[in-house]
Amino acid sequence: AQSVSQHNHHVILSEAASLELGCNYSYGGTVNLFWYVQYPGQHLQLLLKYFSGDPLVKGIKGFEAEFIKSKFSFNLRKPSVQWSDTAEYFCAVNGGSYIPTFGRGTSLIVHP
Amino acid sequence: KAGVTQTPRYLIKTRGQQVTLSCSPISGHRSVSWYQQTPGQGLQFLFEYFSETQRNKGNFPGRFSGRQFSNSRSEMNVSTLELGDSALYLCASMTPNQETQYFGPGTRLLVL
Repeated sequence: AQSVSQHNHHVILSEAASLELGCNYSYGGTVNLFWYVQYPGQHLQLLLKYFSGDPLVKGIKGFEAEFIKSKFSFNLRKPSVQWSDTAEYFCAVNGGSYIPTFGRGTSLIVHP
Repeated sequence: KAGVTQTPRYLIKTRGQQVTLSCSPISGHRSVSWYQQTPGQGLQFLFEYFSETQRNKGNFPGRFSGRQFSNSRSEMNVSTLELGDSALYLCASMTPNQETQYFGPGTRLLVL
């Protein structure tokens, strides 16, 4: 069975700080990886996804994530966060099943 | 293309009652999944329907059930509501190549 672990449950940053949210998964085979974002009062939106190819994936709003197969990781990064990035971020993986398994989420608060 | 829609957006019920939630997927998407989202637990997978058949099921009691109609619209039913059923219920439809899910705004259920 696949599982996803998001290490940071709550992250508080000031504007312009750099962001890295950790995501590790457990599954031995080929995986598809996703990051979703849920802004306050809004629905879950796809931020970026990795299926194959270049392990550095660029998404919307300046976010990127790097797939490191040897570490079973898919960390999300942004060089300079904005107040509008305040949201909950979910990592998800689908390996053996096309139904993705989600992490518990990381709540990000960015102070202006 | 219209996104995933869910109705109603908010519901208040009392213990013991039952509730039915509705989801209309993106046009052309035949797979519909349901998730329960609670603080600290992330997204818990309930079940997935494809072509009117339940194709995958999570670890929820039989009080949670669903169905899908020929137009791919789906309903989820929860019988004998408990306080712990209070949550945001999310519906997601999947692209025809079964690679990516897109989520609706959710139905927030409060059980008193």
